[in-house]
Amino acid sequence: QVHLVESGGDLVKPGGSLRLSCAASGFTFSDYYMGWMRQTPGKGLEWIAYISSRSTNTKYADSVKGRFTISRDNAENSLFLLMNRLRVEDTGVYFCARDVPSGTYAFDIWGPGTVVIVSS
Amino acid sequence: QSVLTQPPSASETPGQTVTISCSGSSSNIGSNAVNWYQHFPGTAPKLLIYNTNQRPAGVPDRFSGSKSGTSASLAISGLQSEDEADYYCSALDDSLSGHVLFGAGTKLTVL
Repeated sequence: QVHLVESGGDLVKPGGSLRLSCAASGFTFSDYYMGWMRQTPGKGLEWIAYISSRSTNTKYADSVKGRFTISRDNAENSLFLLMNRLRVEDTGVYFCARDVPSGTYAFDIWGPGTVVIVSS
Repeated sequence: QSVLTQPPSASETPGQTVTISCSGSSSNIGSNAVNWYQHFPGTAPKLLIYNTNQRPAGVPDRFSGSKSGTSASLAISGLQSEDEADYYCSALDDSLSGHVLFGAGTKLTVL
């Protein structure tokens, strides 16, 4: 069974940091690009970042570039998102997802999400 | 404001066909594939269509995708009550250094 499960969401003050994790199972993790998306309150889905299978290529949305860092540990089948200098507008549900190897950046497997609340 | 424009809402009666549009530009839909997701609030989004018109295994053929120029469409035929959800289009944007864009989403109501 292909599975992704996020963890690490929490309540944090503005300016603080948080590290999200995503545990993968049921597929060869090291073969796939992976991504992070979020849904902020009252808004739709937003792509945040993706990372290539061997970590050689990363991309970030402008809204998080310079503050967030995506990384992975293929030996541990894990994906991470380090979030620094958090802002109130970063509040939302964060999803990790697997990229379909079709060159279209479609994400076919998603985790259930982890909640991040940035508030003083 | 999203670069991919979707109508905020759509509605249709059971058994009918509904089409959801997604309008972009030459740097995204005009030159890249389009993907579509179904999202029930509080759950993980589900990939419905990738590469503009391909269905992942397990997605019924009631769902179909197409593209013309800088616009794309998701059609749902034989509408069912369980299709009531939010639908998002997505595409890569060449002018944004390979960033992935999502539309703002369309809330589908099955009347």
